[in-house]
Amino acid sequence: AAGVIQSPRHLIKEKRETATLKCYPIPRHDTVYWYQQGPGQDPQFLISFYEKMQSDKGSIPDRFSAQQFSDYHSELNMSSLELGDSALYFCASSSPGRTNTEAFFGQGTRLTVV
Amino acid sequence: GQQVMQIPQYQHVQEGEDFTTYCNSSTTLSNIQWYKQRPGGHPVFLIQLVKSGEVKKQKRLTFQFGEAKKNSSLHITATQTTDVGTYFCSQAQKLVFGQGTRLTINP
Repeated sequence: AAGVIQSPRHLIKEKRETATLKCYPIPRHDTVYWYQQGPGQDPQFLISFYEKMQSDKGSIPDRFSAQQFSDYHSELNMSSLELGDSALYFCASSSPGRTNTEAFFGQGTRLTVV
Repeated sequence: GQQVMQIPQYQHVQEGEDFTTYCNSSTTLSNIQWYKQRPGGHPVFLIQLVKSGEVKKQKRLTFQFGEAKKNSSLHITATQTTDVGTYFCSQAQKLVFGQGTRLTINP
């Protein structure tokens, strides 16, 4: 079965550069969530989208923006990267319209800012 | 926003011992989900509870939703090394995790 696909899996950027992380949800899933997990920390919710509209906002820095496109894939854009942005970024998808709202997580994108 | 709190933050047990983590909310939850994240892995869905007082079992794991739908627990009987990881609870629609309970096991 198709899972949540995140790309790239690894990314190395320099300070002040920009980065774009992509998330392809499971087919027919209309909700996408983004998380940031620093070393030794728990996943911090950043933002979520339902039917291409932002549904919830967490601790997402102003330097970051995200959107969900017409094909339901989502992109997390990160600008003016800082060393502290180095983390594992997870994307998850679900379909709240159904009874079972289980969320499926991707393998994550490991971003290293140097 | 509504967020659940988990205790304990860390738990270290001997293999074969039982383990319990608790999830508490100050407000009534419409449902609760539990996830497990193994070291180096991504969170994986375990179960969803919806009904007041609901109890569900998955082999050695027992999940319970409180009568008032403000708390939940996950109990593991006779832990095994494969149970190592961090356990998170969350309300389904928000999917905002608390700090989680990190379980380590001494073989």
